[in-house]
Amino acid sequence: DIVMTQSPDSLAVSLGERATLNCKSSQSILHSSNNKNYLAWYQHKPGQPPKLLIYWASIRESGVPDRFSGSASGTDFTLTISSLQAEDVAVYYCQQYYSYPQTFGQGTKLEIK
Amino acid sequence: QVQLVQSGAEVKEPGATVKVSCKASGYTFTTYYMYWVRQAPGQGLEWMGIINLSGGSTTYAQKFQGRVTMTRDTSTSTVYMELSSLRCEDTAVYYCARRAAGGNRMDVWGQGTTVTVSS
Repeated sequence: DIVMTQSPDSLAVSLGERATLNCKSSQSILHSSNNKNYLAWYQHKPGQPPKLLIYWASIRESGVPDRFSGSASGTDFTLTISSLQAEDVAVYYCQQYYSYPQTFGQGTKLEIK
Repeated sequence: QVQLVQSGAEVKEPGATVKVSCKASGYTFTTYYMYWVRQAPGQGLEWMGIINLSGGSTTYAQKFQGRVTMTRDTSTSTVYMELSSLRCEDTAVYYCARRAAGGNRMDVWGQGTTVTVSS
């Protein structure tokens, strides 16, 4: 199974500041047929289902604010929130959908400092 | 609009079986696949498996092989996840999530169903 490891486990950032969340896959999730990384980011707030933010490592889902962005470098992936808003407090998960079983990282809890 | 509505909370005894439903609306049911994902208390998200809503073929996570069955009823646009031989560790919120067109990501989620296993 592909292991997804997120860092840090928790992060406190001031309102309006940048938040950087990291995710590392235990093996490449770049498919040679289309040169795409099979990675998604989800936002999960208490009492709600997870919400898709980013897919193919860097494509923003429709309706997601442009302060959210994703990037990739080899097996390292980053979710960046450029200017933290109060409504961004949540747990964020990365997920690989390259192979079964699909696997999630353990999550990063994002809070306001 | 696209919507997935799941069945209500369940309380089961160890050893019992639970069946959770997920009714889809707002899109053509059989042109998609559906995932099931769960989250135990204080834990992260766990992928359970996927079902092809057209042909009904399934792929399950090894961890649940032999205990989980995913089915669908195309006449009612409803997907079912049945988990047997329940143990206390199966206490979790269970989600259905649609596989997006053109990719394996999960683009629409049900609201979640809480399953509590307790004697």
